[in-house]
Amino acid sequence: DIQMTQSPSSLSASVGDRVTITCRTNQSIRSYLNWYQQKPGKAPKVLIYAASSLQSGVPSRFSGSGSGTDFTLTISSLQPEDFATYYCQQSYSTPRTFGQGTKVEIK
Amino acid sequence: QVQLQESGPGLVKPSETLSLTCTVSGGSISSYDWSWIRQPPGKGLEWIGYIYYSGSTNYNPSLKSRVTISVDTSKNQFSLKLSSVTAADTAVYYCARGSPFYYGSSGYYYSFWGQGTLVTVSS
Repeated sequence: DIQMTQSPSSLSASVGDRVTITCRTNQSIRSYLNWYQQKPGKAPKVLIYAASSLQSGVPSRFSGSGSGTDFTLTISSLQPEDFATYYCQQSYSTPRTFGQGTKVEIK
Repeated sequence: QVQLQESGPGLVKPSETLSLTCTVSGGSISSYDWSWIRQPPGKGLEWIGYIYYSGSTNYNPSLKSRVTISVDTSKNQFSLKLSSVTAADTAVYYCARGSPFYYGSSGYYYSFWGQGTLVTVSS
């Protein structure tokens, strides 16, 4: 199985901050990396697919970068509705594994 | 707009079989791949497996001996069966549609999800 390691596991930030979340894999997955946002009691929602493609309808303050084993999700200016847990997920091979999540909390 | 809805018992006894169905509306099940993903309370996401509309399946090796995913294209539904359940199988179970990055891509992302259903394993 491909192991996914997200960092940090949690962070505190203020509205307007730039936030960066990292996802690292234990082998190359090229650009087969997706990012999801999950709010309490809700299903995950895709933000970024194929490492850097913004899903339709997702605000442009979200961006993704990386390839191979190192990936980044960036929120350029954190908004109140962005406080949530974020997961990376690979679809390079099965099982399609997820990172352990990064919880973004209000400072 | 594609919508997915999980249905099935919310309580299952230990050693019995968990059975869930996902009904797809607003689009045909006869394309894409269709997955089950679960999330134990307070924990992260675990991929269970998927089925293509053609019927071919792929399961997480950690659950493979206990999992069966099937599809009924006439009802626009796909289903999950997980046998010999224990308390460790207590989770919110989601169904989701896997969409390719672009036409013909081998990379997929989950563009549509059901709302999730909590299944508790307890006597």
